Amino acid sequence: QSVLTQPPSVSGAPGQRVTISCTGSSSDIGAGYDVHWYQQLPGTAPKLLIFANTNRPSGVPDRFSGSRTATSASLAISGLQAEDEADYHCQSYDSSLSAYVFGTGTKVTVL
Amino acid sequence: EVQLVESGGGLVRPGGSLRLSCAASGFSLSKYTMTWVRQAPGKRLEWVSSISGSSSNIFYTRSVQGRFSISRDNAKSSLYLQMDSLRVEDTAVYYCVRVKAGAGTAWFDPWGQGTLISVSS
Repeated sequence: QSVLTQPPSVSGAPGQRVTISCTGSSSDIGAGYDVHWYQQLPGTAPKLLIFANTNRPSGVPDRFSGSRTATSASLAISGLQAEDEADYHCQSYDSSLSAYVFGTGTKVTVL
Repeated sequence: EVQLVESGGGLVRPGGSLRLSCAASGFSLSKYTMTWVRQAPGKRLEWVSSISGSSSNIFYTRSVQGRFSISRDNAKSSLYLQMDSLRVEDTAVYYCVRVKAGAGTAWFDPWGQGTLISVSS
């Protein structure tokens, strides 16, 4: 089954910049499907953070930014804040499975 | 305010059944494809099933095909998930989610608060 691969954890000090990668395959990101990102604060439901690779919904701080290459995507958090400590998930679509697929999830820790 | 509220979770024996409900408010349910996403303890998010606004298109992930049934009642602003022949591996928090679509792409927003299903003997 297609799984988008993310690093299990990343960490940084307040004010630093961290990036989270999301690596796919030829049937999902590599097939041209967009990548979306969700933030999941401890004990809560996921919340949309970035849609269609680079777009921020209203209300999401511009400290969060997304980018994408041929077979992968990245989420960057600049000016890291304590409130950014959460799990982050990428999501795309897999044409071989005819299914939406999620990444393995990354826990961001603010030191 | 757009809001999704799930109900119907609980503890069930393997082989048992449960029906989840999701009450939608703040938007016209009939205009949107809706989805169920689940998250097993310590695991990644997993798409379960989607249903189009008119119920004409329905999709399931392979592991629940033939056991789960998604439906909706737009007049009641409600989404449902009938889960039969439940397995231990179905244990998860189940989220009701609205699908937002663009040109050849779709993302999930917003999410309900989730309801926990525990399948155990």
